[in-house]
Amino acid sequence: ETGVTQTPRHLVMGMTNKKSLKCEQHLGHNAMYWYKQSAKKPLELMFVYNFKEQTENNSVPSRFSPECPNSSHLFLHLHTLQPEDSALYLCASSSGTSGQDQETQYFGPGTRLLVL
Amino acid sequence: AQSVSQHNHHVILSEAASLELGCNYSYGGTVNLFWYVQYPGQHLQLLLKYFSGDPLVKGIKGFEAEFIKSKFSFNLRKPSVQWSDTAEYFCAVGNSGTYKYIFGTGTRLKVLA
Repeated sequence: ETGVTQTPRHLVMGMTNKKSLKCEQHLGHNAMYWYKQSAKKPLELMFVYNFKEQTENNSVPSRFSPECPNSSHLFLHLHTLQPEDSALYLCASSSGTSGQDQETQYFGPGTRLLVL
Repeated sequence: AQSVSQHNHHVILSEAASLELGCNYSYGGTVNLFWYVQYPGQHLQLLLKYFSGDPLVKGIKGFEAEFIKSKFSFNLRKPSVQWSDTAEYFCAVGNSGTYKYIFGTGTRLKVLA
């Protein structure tokens, strides 16, 4: 399954570093999402973009900054993170048009982030 | 508040045993329901989904789920599990017409050969 790709797959960063996570979808979708997956907690929706416009910011701290330059690419810029931000960050996409598939999300493999 | 509960956090079964994983939700309005699976080292994959119609939904790899509206449940079942079904299973619920899912905490299934 290579419909949604994410790079890097693993990232270690210090609290003062700036890094970016990249997501690319090859499914012709128009909606893209960032989720955080922490141990023993449910997946947390962070951001939603639909047709390049941000439609959801789920009270995410400003040290996480998303960017969606086009419908195929989504970035998550990281700055001054805390150790508790260590988690698996998942990208997903959905068609974003009318019909049932509009709301079916397809996930990438994730970036495992460790903040030291 | 909207929530999704998966009561079984860890399940261990022998091959050929039957499986039922519980999912209950607290949600207003019309809902869309999903089960995703995450095999070790792999990404989340859609197993099956329910939007409307027949409440018994069949998915990939012999899985099925039944939507019982009166019980706010969407339990996942498989009559005979295989070692390759070892994975983590996530239930997700979303309001129809929105992009926002809420996921359960997941159930880790281990199938013994």
